[in-house]
Amino acid sequence: QSVLTQPPSVSGAPGQRVTISCTGSSSYIGADSHVHWYQQLPGTAPRLLIYDNTNRPSGVPDRFSGSKSGTSASLAITGLQAEDEADYYCQSYDSSLGGYWMFGGGTKLTVL
Amino acid sequence: QVQLQQWGAGLLKPSETLSLTCAVHGGSFSGYSWNWIRQPPGKGLEWIGAIKHSGSTNYNPYNPSLKSRVTISIDTSKNQFSLSLTSVNAADTAVYYCARGITIFGIVVTGTYYSYYMDVWGKGTTVTVSS
Repeated sequence: QSVLTQPPSVSGAPGQRVTISCTGSSSYIGADSHVHWYQQLPGTAPRLLIYDNTNRPSGVPDRFSGSKSGTSASLAITGLQAEDEADYYCQSYDSSLGGYWMFGGGTKLTVL
Repeated sequence: QVQLQQWGAGLLKPSETLSLTCAVHGGSFSGYSWNWIRQPPGKGLEWIGAIKHSGSTNYNPYNPSLKSRVTISIDTSKNQFSLSLTSVNAADTAVYYCARGITIFGIVVTGTYYSYYMDVWGKGTTVTVSS
């Protein structure tokens, strides 16, 4: 099981706003570890969507935004579009045990 | 623009060794962490391990059965890194991805922070273990 917890699924109608949460212990989403988000469209490799809690790489629409508070992080998608239907993963890093890159279990977004 | 090209055998029998290679095109090979991740059918992402340009490695500490069978190596002369997984079984059936890792350790007034994420991914290699 993942040490970062995400809801298995979320859904929304086109144009709506949805959020995906990512929660963990202070060891995994603490003050010293940033959270990052990936989008995985069906049949493709994951793509970096948000890095360092809130930053978007070049080319990612500003409909996607990230936030972090305490030991929780969230991904928000506004103006939902059909092409946003995908799996979304959060990721963080634990420096103990030699270093561990951890992923959340993933959330399937369905656009109704 | 950096691209990762990966290849390796896609069909293995139980007890054989999985070997995959990832070549880095169009960018620097040093200063990054080079990672392997896998995704079993219908499941989520699992980090396998990583290697730096120096050759130092670290592996997933929460999957001991995987860690004991994995070796990640690097060939800096070819800008390539590789994954070897011995004694495969059906549970190793997955899509395997290579990815470039950004690793930033920062010091701020409130303390330290880690910014470790993967910004470039290979397309993935489907590996099936079946007798």
